[in-house]
Amino acid sequence: EVQLMETGGGLVQPGKALKLTCATSGFTFSTAWMNWVRQSPEKGLEWIARIKPKSTNYATEYAESVKGRFTISRDDSKSSIYLQMNSLKEEDTATYYCIGWFAYWGQGTLVTVSS
Amino acid sequence: DVVLTQTPVSLSVTLGDQASISCGSSQSLVYSDGNTYLKWYLQKPGQSPQLLIYEVSNRLSGVPDRFIGSGSGTDFTLKISRVEPEDLGVYYCFQATHDPWTFGGGTKLELK
Repeated sequence: EVQLMETGGGLVQPGKALKLTCATSGFTFSTAWMNWVRQSPEKGLEWIARIKPKSTNYATEYAESVKGRFTISRDDSKSSIYLQMNSLKEEDTATYYCIGWFAYWGQGTLVTVSS
Repeated sequence: DVVLTQTPVSLSVTLGDQASISCGSSQSLVYSDGNTYLKWYLQKPGQSPQLLIYEVSNRLSGVPDRFIGSGSGTDFTLKISRVEPEDLGVYYCFQATHDPWTFGGGTKLELK
């Protein structure tokens, strides 16, 4: 059974940092394109980051809205990906989903940026 | 960025009816390899989105054949024949042809 579990969400003040973790199992993680997508009532579903497998030298891509502030990474030995979020803004408030390929989604973790 | 425009925004149906959702793209979604990376997701209340259709018309394993995706270039359609209760929720189209990848705004399918 495929499982993806996001952790690390919570309430954080503007300008602070937070790191999300997505632990996976049940599929061949090492060759998977992994993504972070977020969802908010204001912006709907928004793809924000992608990391490809080792064969591509772990190539990454980001949405303009998070480029320079967020960093996606992966640890194939742990079948996990991460999202380091720095300089958080109120508009980053959303539920953050980890996605494997395009078919495997976690249950999401809520990030609230507020003073 | 590629803008995906879904119509209608909401759709009220009777169980057993056919439903049709359109997704228009601001650019052609044909990739340089000849494939069209347009997908359809359904998000049921309280759940994460689930992939139904990939590359325009391919149903994911386990998706009923009453879901039919079609289209090309910039215009795409998802048809659901004989709507059943488990089909209710919000449908999203999504493109992975051009960076940044983008989602449509969603179409809410609900009972009349």
